[in-house]
Amino acid sequence: SQTIHQWPATLVQPVGSPLSLECTVEGTSNPNLYWYRQAAGRGLQLLFYSVGIGQISSEVPQNLSASRPQDRQFILSSKKLLLSDSGFYLCAWGEDTEAFFGQGTRLTVV
Amino acid sequence: DQQVKQNSPSLSVQEGRISILNCDYTNSMFDYFLWYKKYPAEGPTFLISISSIKDKNEDGRFTVFLNKSAKHLSLHIVPSQPGDSAVYFCAARAGGTSYGKLTFGQGTILTVHP
Repeated sequence: SQTIHQWPATLVQPVGSPLSLECTVEGTSNPNLYWYRQAAGRGLQLLFYSVGIGQISSEVPQNLSASRPQDRQFILSSKKLLLSDSGFYLCAWGEDTEAFFGQGTRLTVV
Repeated sequence: DQQVKQNSPSLSVQEGRISILNCDYTNSMFDYFLWYKKYPAEGPTFLISISSIKDKNEDGRFTVFLNKSAKHLSLHIVPSQPGDSAVYFCAARAGGTSYGKLTFGQGTILTVHP
């Protein structure tokens, strides 16, 4: 069966520091992968999605970037974090009719 | 521009009674709707979905109703159990888009009291 791994679970970073969150998927090939963010009091917002290696689509303008160096690896990055980047970040893959989510990373920028 | 709205931030229900969670949408291109359940510090898990060609879908204690003309859907949980206490997200997908490209509502916190 397919599984999705996301780490770390929690992260506290100072403003201006870099960020790298990693997501890997097992048990499937060429998955569609997604990064979502849930800000405080908000729903989940789609940030990026990828339909293949090196293919990234950005949904909203922001301070973050994404990369897909391997088929089952999706990375969310920032060169300099802002306070507004705080939130709960979720990686997901889509198949059939739904999206399957990882456990999420709670990022607090201080 | 909030295309999917859950106007009730929270709902409190007694165990054994019905829980009704509501969701409204504005985008006529949405043709598939999903409900997710989320516990604190965890990712959302899929609960139930409905295609726009249907008006009802049932799975055990969970039933989703879709009213296309009103652009409204609801999730009914009968009977409600304390373990159902969680945040419930409504999500929608536009036709022709990739599977995981969803627009979510803000979520409703459901609390089921024993």
